[in-house]
Formats: sequence, C-alpha cells, structure tokens
Amino acid sequence: DAGVIQSPRHEVTEMGQEVTLRCKPISGHDYLFWYRQTMMRGLELLIYFNNNVPIDDSGMPEDRFSAKMPNASFSTLKIQPSEPRDSAVYFCASAGGTVNQPQHFGDGTRLSIL
Amino acid sequence: LAKTTQPISMDSYEGQEVNITCSHNNIATNDYITWYQQFPSQGPRFIIQGYKTKVTNEVASLFIPADRKSSTLSLPRVSLSDTAVYYCLVGDIFYSGAGSYQLTFGKGTKLSVIP
Repeated sequence: DAGVIQSPRHEVTEMGQEVTLRCKPISGHDYLFWYRQTMMRGLELLIYFNNNVPIDDSGMPEDRFSAKMPNASFSTLKIQPSEPRDSAVYFCASAGGTVNQPQHFGDGTRLSIL
Repeated sequence: LAKTTQPISMDSYEGQEVNITCSHNNIATNDYITWYQQFPSQGPRFIIQGYKTKVTNEVASLFIPADRKSSTLSLPRVSLSDTAVYYCLVGDIFYSGAGSYQLTFGKGTKLSVIP
C-alpha cells in the first residue's frame, strides 16, 4: 500500500498568490481529512470528507480556504489569496469506514508564504 | 469531544520504560482512546487504541483504569528512535456514512530519549 500521498512536499510562494495542495488517499478509505500544523496552534482539523462529501468544514479559517474532493482518489486544498500567516505544514489523512479505524497521515506539505 | 491533558515534555534514558499519562476527565461512554506518534517532518502515525483495561501490541501497551478518566501509554525499553511527539486523542466512535470522529489533537508530549 502506497499510503497517503501529498504534493508538493514544499511550496514557497509570494503573498497574494493562489496555492493548491493535493492529496491522494489510501485506496478504499472513505474518510479524508485536511489538517494544519503550526508551533503555536498544534494540529488543527480544517475539514473532512466522507464518500467525497464535505461533512464538517468548521475548521476552515476563512473564505480564502476551500477544499474539494472530486473523486475517491483525489482531494485539493486551495488558498486564494495566500497570506504569510498561512505558512504551516498541511497534512492530509484518510481512514476506512469501519468503527474506530485510525487515521493514516501523509508526510505533509510545508507551505511558506513570503 | 473530551478534552485531554498530557505533560508537555518528558526525558528518558535509552533502555528504560516510559509511561506517558493522558487525563480525560470528561470522557463519554462511546469514546475510544487513541495514541499517535509524530516524528519531525512526518505526519502522525497510529500507535495503539483502546476502550478499557489493557491493550498491547508489538509497539506499546495502553493501560486504562476502570473509570476511564485517564490512560497511560507505555513504551518498553525505549531507544533513540522513539524520540518523538506523542498525542492522546479521545473521541466518539465514528460510523460509516455519518457521525462524529476523533478529531482533536492536543499539543502532545515531546519525548526525548537520551543515550
């Protein structure tokens, strides 16, 4: 199993630019999660999907953030326009649909907004 | 979701057993307890999960007292490679297609193993 795959691993861009982060979950998993991690706030859940449908997006910080899951094998997290305070490591995780299956995390995208 | 409290950091020498305790006084009947490990520049990795009493796998043991208001992750004979941040999560069982989920990570416990 290839695990959860995220791309890019690193992204450096200037303030105001659009940023798109990508995630391929583990095949067969029907839950997908996007997290953000910073030193100050730790790991924060931004949004999660079940069967490609967004279930809870209450963690999305503001309208500049959007996430989509067009199919079971692909999801994107977009920031437009980006700001320096968006600099963080963004993780994607997936989980199976049976009771108490743990989340499997990707290695994250380290985002730096200059 | 039940709030969790863990020590911010711990130090241990190689070869020792390490016990990290997590307090979750408001744990609900349906809540499971899950521990994750995170190395620098990597995503968290599942270690162990339990509901009550004791659970053991090839990596760790999880001790949960009868009142379930706390839990202890036990790592036997730690090595330098066990240096990481350990997160305790407590939350609802999730059901396929609907329901809540174990979603809230605290700040975790930073374990430093000393040679």
